[in-house]
Amino acid sequence: SQTIHQWPATLVQPVGSPLSLECTVEGTSNPNLYWYRQAAGRGLQLLFYSVGIGQISSEVPQNLSASRPQDRQFILSSKKLLLSDSGFYLCAWRGGTGGQGVTEAFFGQGTRLTVV
Amino acid sequence: AQSVTQPDIHITVSEGASLELRCNYSYGATPYLFWYVQSPGQGLQLLLKYFSGDTLVQGIKGFEAEFKRSQSSFNLRKPSVHWSDAAEYFCAVGRHSGNTPLVFGKGTRLSVIA
Repeated sequence: SQTIHQWPATLVQPVGSPLSLECTVEGTSNPNLYWYRQAAGRGLQLLFYSVGIGQISSEVPQNLSASRPQDRQFILSSKKLLLSDSGFYLCAWRGGTGGQGVTEAFFGQGTRLTVV
Repeated sequence: AQSVTQPDIHITVSEGASLELRCNYSYGATPYLFWYVQSPGQGLQLLLKYFSGDTLVQGIKGFEAEFKRSQSSFNLRKPSVHWSDAAEYFCAVGRHSGNTPLVFGKGTRLSVIA
């Protein structure tokens, strides 16, 4: 079966420090991968998505970047965090082979990032 | 453009009462529709999905949803709410192809009182 791992679960970082959040998927190949951010009362904001290795689409210009160095690995990064980067970050996957035509998205458990 | 509207930001119901959460969508083609639930500090869990066929779909935890094409709605219902149903609920729409992201509504927070 397919699983998605996201870490760390919580993170407190000072303003101006770098960020690296990692997400990996198991049990499927060539998944479509997504990073969402969730701010209180604002629903899910799509940040980045990737349909393959090295292919990144950015939905919102901001202080963050994403990379997909391997088929089932998706990384969210920042060189210098801002206070406004605080939030709950969710990784998700959809589609892919081995998922038998999976069309719903599956989510990781999220990372609570607090920038201080 | 695709969009999802959940008109109710916050709903409070009594335990044992019925529940209906509203969802309206805007979509140019046949939509694939989903309802997700999120407990505090957790990821999203799929409750149910609609692709085609019977417009009334059953999901986990006793939830059901009805697709009404004429009203562009996909409302979530439960006949008797339990205290453990208190959570945030998200409606989403997408295409069949997994290459495109799902579009989510802003969510409805459900509180359950005794």
